[in-house]
Amino acid sequence: NAGVTQTPKFQVLKTGQSMTLQCAQDMNHEYMSWYRQDPGMGLRLIHYSVGAGITDQGEVPNGYNVSRSTTEDFPLRLLSAAPSQTSVYFCASSYRKGQGNSDTQYFGPGTRLTVL
Amino acid sequence: QQPVQSPQAVILREGEDAVINCSSSKALYSVHWYRQKHGEAPVFLMILLKGGEQKGHEKISASFNEKKQQSSLYLTASQLSYSGTYFCGTERPRVLIQGAQKLVFGQGTRLTINP
Repeated sequence: NAGVTQTPKFQVLKTGQSMTLQCAQDMNHEYMSWYRQDPGMGLRLIHYSVGAGITDQGEVPNGYNVSRSTTEDFPLRLLSAAPSQTSVYFCASSYRKGQGNSDTQYFGPGTRLTVL
Repeated sequence: QQPVQSPQAVILREGEDAVINCSSSKALYSVHWYRQKHGEAPVFLMILLKGGEQKGHEKISASFNEKKQQSSLYLTASQLSYSGTYFCGTERPRVLIQGAQKLVFGQGTRLTINP
């Protein structure tokens, strides 16, 4: 099992450019999430998905789009990059054991994004 | 709403104990604890689901007081490998049983262990 993989590891964009951060998992997890991490802010939820075709907004969704066409993949799209989106982005997945149960979130290695 | 962690940072000598607290103003369904080393992804430590539940992982244990909406992480006889930033993630009671697992993380507690 590769677990949760993210590409690219590093990215530099110019203001106004668009790009897609890739996330994939091979654990057949239903839940997938995107977080951003800024110094002193902890991890903030951007978007999440409970299964293929189902997504919803988290705490800080503005400027980002997601889609989930397969169980394995959950890409994050930056529509028009801004310097405020400079951050480390983590993708995470978890398996819902049963109704109402919480489960471990497995994090990918992260993507370090700089917007100039 | 983001849970509040305290202290923000703590420095210990190897072998000393530490307690990290996580407090929420909202009712909680579960509390998750993660540790993150510099430049790496967060790594799961434990989940607490029931009021008053206490779990352990080697010399790291945690408690969850559902009524007070608080959780504490206890590190006993700390080792150099315990250094890192600790995050609590809180989950509100779900409206639907099949509802999504939405974790809201605290700002983190940086733990430094010196020899």
